[in-house]
Amino acid sequence: GQQVMQIPQYQHVQEGEDFTTYCNSSTTLSNIQWYKQRPGGHPVFLIQLVKSGEVKKQKRLTFQFGEAKKNSSLHITATQTTDVGTYFCAGSGNAGNMLTFGGGTRLMVKP
Amino acid sequence: DSGVTQTPKHLITATGQRVTLRCSPRSGDLSVYWYQQSLDQGLQFLIQYYNGEERAKGNILERFSAQQFPDLHSELNLSSLELGDSALYFCASYRGNYGYTFGSGTRLTVV
Repeated sequence: GQQVMQIPQYQHVQEGEDFTTYCNSSTTLSNIQWYKQRPGGHPVFLIQLVKSGEVKKQKRLTFQFGEAKKNSSLHITATQTTDVGTYFCAGSGNAGNMLTFGGGTRLMVKP
Repeated sequence: DSGVTQTPKHLITATGQRVTLRCSPRSGDLSVYWYQQSLDQGLQFLIQYYNGEERAKGNILERFSAQQFPDLHSELNLSSLELGDSALYFCASYRGNYGYTFGSGTRLTVV
């Protein structure tokens, strides 16, 4: 079955440093989505990428979808303490919109 | 409030018991997805319903079952509970390019 791997599992950064998490799928995806889960909270949808090579930005967050539609990345510029949480990528490979989630990257930011 | 309602928020029960978790999707959404999140783990897909019908099944144990009712709310039934079933159980509904909307989850503790 479809597998989605995400690295790193944990990342500690100093406030102001950049952060990147990478996501790789074992199969070609129809789309990839990114979610953020704050400690004690539920996952919250950030963005969806659909096109090969697509790049989208949300303020300090940049999302990329690979040319082969099997990998993706999330880059945060100049992290802030409000960025703390676990970032999940989730890929969909079928019409049922069932998502396979990566294991997540837990971001910790030191003020 | 995400619009997806899950009850109860917390549940403590003994091994061998049976519990029912309830989810009401966002108004107008026909789909319900159930996910399990163990401590510091990713989100494991359990089962999907769409307008009352089962659409997809993930790694759901035979001791677990679910259904979606005509009013579109869904129930996840967990029986013969084991210590390892302790986890956060999320339901989500889906609406096009806006990704999954998750409920706040039910934290199940089996003692």
